[in-house]
Amino acid sequence: EIVLTQSPGTLSLFPGERVTLSCRASQSVSSNYLAWYQQKPGQAPRLLIYGASRRATGVPDRFRGSGSGTEFTLIISRLEPEDFAVYFCQQYATSPYVFGQGTKLEIK
Amino acid sequence: EVQLVESGGGSVQPGGFLRLSCAASGFTFSSFAMSWVRQAPGKGLEWVSGLSSSGDHIYYADSVKGRSTVSRDNSKNTLYMQLNTLSAEDTAVYFCAKSAGYNFGLPQYYFDSWGQGALVTVSS
Repeated sequence: EIVLTQSPGTLSLFPGERVTLSCRASQSVSSNYLAWYQQKPGQAPRLLIYGASRRATGVPDRFRGSGSGTEFTLIISRLEPEDFAVYFCQQYATSPYVFGQGTKLEIK
Repeated sequence: EVQLVESGGGSVQPGGFLRLSCAASGFTFSSFAMSWVRQAPGKGLEWVSGLSSSGDHIYYADSVKGRSTVSRDNSKNTLYMQLNTLSAEDTAVYFCAKSAGYNFGLPQYYFDSWGQGALVTVSS
C-alpha cells in the first residue's frame, strides 16, 4: 500500500502570499496518478489537480501542481481569502486509493 | 449538473450495520466508476471502497475488507454500501464520489463530483 505524507500539517499565511504544499509517497506513483483536493469546513472536497499537474475544470490558474515519482507539490501563487482551507493529495495508481493526511492553510 | 445524494446515515449501535445509498443524476451513471470515501470528525479523508461502472470490479480498503459490501444498480442510478460489525472507529461522514473518467480504457479513481455526505455515528 502506498502511504502519502503531506507537509507541513498547518501553515499560517497572509493573503497574497505564495505557498508550496508537499506530498511525498512511500513508493513511486505510476503514471503520476496524483490528485489534489481542497476542502472547506462542512463541505465536500473539490478536485483541483489530477495527473499531478492538470487543473480540473474551473480551477484558477494560481493553482499549479507538479512533481513525479514520489515527490509532488501544489503551489498557490497568490493566496486569495477563499483559498484558506484544507488540502489533500490522493494517489489513484493502485488500490487502495489513499489520501494524504492533509495540510491546513490558516489566515495569519 | 451532476448530483450525488447520500442517504441512510444516522446513529447505530456498536456491532450493528449500516446501509447507505447514493442517488446519482446529471450524468450517465452506468458509464462511471464510483467510490465511497469517509471522514471521521476532525480527521482526513479515507477512501473506503470503489466499484467499476459495471460492478464487476470492486475494491476495498483494509479497514472495511471482509465486513463491507458495495454494489450498484445502474437501472436505478444508485450506489450502495453495507458495512457490518460497526465500531466507534466507523463514525464518520460517508461521501459517495464519482470517478472522473478513464485512461486507456481503465477507470481513474480520482473524483470530480462528491455528494454532501451522510453522517454515521456509532454509539451505544
